[in-house]
Amino acid sequence: QLQLQESGPGLVKPSETLSLTCTVSGGSISSSSYYWGWIRQPPGKGLEWIGSIYYSGSTYYNPSLKSRVTISVDTSKNQFSLKLSSVTAADTAVYYCARHPGRSWDDAFDIWGQGTMVTVSS
Amino acid sequence: AIQLTQSPSSLSASVGDRVTITCRASQGISSALAWYQQKPGKAPKLLIYDASSLESGVPSRFSGSGSGTDFTLTISSLQPEDFATYYCQQFNNYLTFGGGTKVEIK
Repeated sequence: QLQLQESGPGLVKPSETLSLTCTVSGGSISSSSYYWGWIRQPPGKGLEWIGSIYYSGSTYYNPSLKSRVTISVDTSKNQFSLKLSSVTAADTAVYYCARHPGRSWDDAFDIWGQGTMVTVSS
Repeated sequence: AIQLTQSPSSLSASVGDRVTITCRASQGISSALAWYQQKPGKAPKLLIYDASSLESGVPSRFSGSGSGTDFTLTISSLQPEDFATYYCQQFNNYLTFGGGTKVEIK
């Protein structure tokens, strides 16, 4: 049974870079030909897609965040990662990693991690 | 960017009620729409994809319809475990989510 787990610091200072990792278990991130994504949800608000990646390293980003986002993959560790630079309080949110089921990045998300709360504060 | 407008933003209903939630896209998205259910403190759960296809394991009381700009999620007979917030998501042009509809107990 495929599972995703987010990890990383729960507190980041303003202007610094937020870094999170998603570890995939119960299956290989590279053998399944699936795409993988990051989504966030500010407290009490809705969902926002951040970006998605293929195991080959091809990336697709939300245009509104593109200048600050880098998503990468490490197939040897069965992980993919998110870096968001120059963070402000507006980046405070629960961050989720998830899988696209249809072998394309422009798709729904069928398996989600439990989410990790990241607070931006000095 | 394509915007999704959900209505209502919240509703109160009783167990056994038929519930309908609407999602309107700012431009046509064909059938590239999904619906999710989210309970407090939990990740969203995929219910419907491609506007009307039921995700495996999801009860048949959930159904989706629509294409183009207007979409509907229907719960035919509301159950206690269905009280949650529901989101639509389009994947025709990048990915965006609707603002959510909170279904509360009447």
